[in-house]
Amino acid sequence: NAGVTQTPKFQVLKTGQSMTLQCAQDMNHNSMYWYRQDPGMGLRLIYYSASEGTTDKGEVPNGYNVSRLNKREFSLRLESAAPSQTSVYFCASSELAAGTGFLPQHFGDGTRLSIL
Amino acid sequence: GESVGLHLPTLSVQEGDNSIINCAYSNSASDYFIWYKQESGKGPQFIIDIRSNMDKRQGQRVTVLLNKTVKHLSLQIAATQPGDSAVYFCGTGNQFYFGTGTSLTVIP
Repeated sequence: NAGVTQTPKFQVLKTGQSMTLQCAQDMNHNSMYWYRQDPGMGLRLIYYSASEGTTDKGEVPNGYNVSRLNKREFSLRLESAAPSQTSVYFCASSELAAGTGFLPQHFGDGTRLSIL
Repeated sequence: GESVGLHLPTLSVQEGDNSIINCAYSNSASDYFIWYKQESGKGPQFIIDIRSNMDKRQGQRVTVLLNKTVKHLSLQIAATQPGDSAVYFCGTGNQFYFGTGTSLTVIP
């Protein structure tokens, strides 16, 4: 059972570079999420997708874009990376439909991103 | 806005004892709750959930209690084991931010 798969697991970028974090889930979940977690802090929601074809901003969306490619895949893009975006990024999914609460149920193991 | 917090940042228990981790929430309309466990270097893991039409739900060695009157949620871990050492946090509703949770340390 793969669950939620994130790639890459680690990445080092230079300021100004761009990259896309990939996420795929095999549980046929409707909702998917991107969070970041900084040292000593809790998870903060960047973007979420309640269902295929929709995306919405979370608490900290600035500097990021997302694409819900299909029901399985939800990618996060950093167009021009900044040191403040150094963090651990988690993708998550849930089977709950929109309107019943956007609460992730399954998380990936994270992408550790460092921006120099 | 909605907020969810935890009472204690750290908790240490002896192996074999029971652990109780608490969580308070602000939105009285919350109808679904999840407890998560996050081990060092890993993503959060779903432990157990509960809906607002229930007061108690049991899993394997874990029990979640929901008190809607005081907007309080607790996670009880029976016979705590070293593998239970992790950060625990709860979530409800439209959760845009999760608190830092309670760090549980099990003393062998």
